Amino acid sequence: ETGVTQSPTHLIKTRGQQVTLRCSSQSGHNTVSWYQQALGQGPQFIFQYYREEENGRGNFPPRFSGLQFPNYSSELNVNALELDDSALYLCASSFGRVDTEAFFGQGTRLTVV
Amino acid sequence: GEDVEQSLFLSVREGDSSVINCTYTDSSSTYLYWYKQEPGAGLQLLTYIFSNMDMKQDQRLTVLLNKKDKHLSLRIADTQTGDSAIYFCAGYNNDMRFGAGTRLTVKP
Repeated sequence: ETGVTQSPTHLIKTRGQQVTLRCSSQSGHNTVSWYQQALGQGPQFIFQYYREEENGRGNFPPRFSGLQFPNYSSELNVNALELDDSALYLCASSFGRVDTEAFFGQGTRLTVV
Repeated sequence: GEDVEQSLFLSVREGDSSVINCTYTDSSSTYLYWYKQEPGAGLQLLTYIFSNMDMKQDQRLTVLLNKKDKHLSLRIADTQTGDSAIYFCAGYNNDMRFGAGTRLTVKP
């Protein structure tokens, strides 16, 4: 049990819709990173938030956006969903910008039909 | 090519040692990690090593880093059936880059 919780655990959306995924970070952690894990692949870095500001972004289009709140919880928003967005979305929390010890949540399984 | 490469499968017998290998391309990686993922679950941090170290031991786990060859390995001593999972190697340099994972199967 890492103390990082994600909601919802599963979600089915239709192509073209928008989705919001949520992550509650471990107590004391001020950094949240989001990853996309396609079936059979390793996680791919989407972006990181440190103290409510974006602190690095991977190779994902602008329709992937995020927020971090004053309590350091975070949201991942994806607009105009595509079939290839179907994946497990993981968030990881850590203390500080360097993910020396990043702890992952259980993930949200998103299926786009 | 991929930033981080791993062999996809490894099968061992219970009680044997397992060695999972990883090669990475980014020599600027400051930290290198091993994560474990069980079916339907998120990633569990097993251990990490700073890039200026060449070995780290933590109970049944031994990490070896050959920085010259950009090769990282994870040895699990006395492998148990509960160790069956997918193991990911990752390097950190501004962001975390993961391999595709090695599926370890432990046979009784």
